[in-house]
Amino acid sequence: GEDVEQSLFLSVREGDSSVINCTYTDSSSTYLYWYKQEPGAGLQLLTYIFSNMDMKQDQRLTVLLNKKDKHLSLRIADTQTGDSAIYFCAENPSGGYNKLIFGAGTRLAVHP
Amino acid sequence: GAVVSQHPSRVICKSGTSVKIECRSLDFQATTMFWYRQFPKQSLMLMATSNEGSKATYEQGVEKDKFLINHASLTLSTLTVTSAHPEDSSFYICSARPPAGNQPQHFGDGTRLSIL
Repeated sequence: GEDVEQSLFLSVREGDSSVINCTYTDSSSTYLYWYKQEPGAGLQLLTYIFSNMDMKQDQRLTVLLNKKDKHLSLRIADTQTGDSAIYFCAENPSGGYNKLIFGAGTRLAVHP
Repeated sequence: GAVVSQHPSRVICKSGTSVKIECRSLDFQATTMFWYRQFPKQSLMLMATSNEGSKATYEQGVEKDKFLINHASLTLSTLTVTSAHPEDSSFYICSARPPAGNQPQHFGDGTRLSIL
């Protein structure tokens, strides 16, 4: 079946790197996404990676994809207090071109 | 970049009222939009896929008569929660995909619905 799993909570010190991990089940997923949600707001697309890529970097964000293990990670360099939010991993499973399956979200807390 | 606008951002109303939420794609035409529901501290649950000019596709367990979806134009989808009750209180979020290529979904800012 379709399932995306994430750890629920991560706490880091300001200036350190954050790594949020995600596992998914559908090996046919074409794209994998990271979204950010701040309190009371909708989802903001952070980045996404095509399934034939191993890594994608965009400024402070680095996405690593291990397709063999169905493991996706998001690394945030030099984490700031403004990065505190919930981060959702999502997959685009086969058979549902438009459908996204979300993980439960990882709450990132950044402390001084 | 692609922008999706959702309105209203917050609604508080009495039990039995019907509430309409609008989702607009501002700078692209969206033949498909999506409606999600999010419970506190939980992930997003896809409710239905809204298709322009045709009936919406509902996910299993979502009541079609309770959550009416209309996608009358390429830039507007509406979700109407009919005869709302306290258990319908939730955060509702819409999204839309630009049609060209494998574009990701872009989300509205959500609507917080509180039924008294």
